[in-house]
Amino acid sequence: KAGVTQTPRYLIKTRGQQVTLSCSPISGHRSVSWYQQTPGQGLQFLFEYFSETQRNKGNFPGRFSGRQFSNSRSEMNVSTLELGDSALYLCASSSTPGAQETQYFGPGTRLLVL
Amino acid sequence: QKEVEQNSGPLSVPEGAIASLNCTYSDRGSQSFFWYRQYSGKSPELIMFIYSNGDKEDGRFTAQLNKASQYVSLLIRDSQPSDSATYLCASRRYIFGTGTRLKVLA
Repeated sequence: KAGVTQTPRYLIKTRGQQVTLSCSPISGHRSVSWYQQTPGQGLQFLFEYFSETQRNKGNFPGRFSGRQFSNSRSEMNVSTLELGDSALYLCASSSTPGAQETQYFGPGTRLLVL
Repeated sequence: QKEVEQNSGPLSVPEGAIASLNCTYSDRGSQSFFWYRQYSGKSPELIMFIYSNGDKEDGRFTAQLNKASQYVSLLIRDSQPSDSATYLCASRRYIFGTGTRLKVLA
């Protein structure tokens, strides 16, 4: 079974631009979560989607948004990029959003904002 | 105070020793806990999860949960250089500690 895939793997943007990242979950998984990982803050939860609905949201500004499509693929968008948005963005998929469900992480998209 | 706290390390142990990684959490309502391993430049991979008080063993790994003390630990027996990585503790799937870097010295 193929794992979680994320595109693109690397991205360089400048301040003020916007970016869209894509995540394809493991086949059959309907829950997708997004995380931001930085050396200082560690892995921080952005949001989770299940059956095209946002179920949970972390403590990030409204510049960060996401959506999920009927085939469970998900995208996240960051508008008006800031230098501090430079990070590794990880998505994780699970069968359902249950508290005890195992998440499987994708390889991540490394975003550099100049 | 972060909801999940870990010592950033590095924790250095000799090959063959037991590595003990610790994690404390602040939300008494947390019921599920996960340990992930993350190699440098890679994404996290699940090692173990634990929901009940006590110990849970899987091969060389043992997770321990003490809800009264709000404490979770991961023991790695017979540590190998390939175990050198950052270990992330997570509560309720979404809340991660900043990780402890483990170095196993050959």
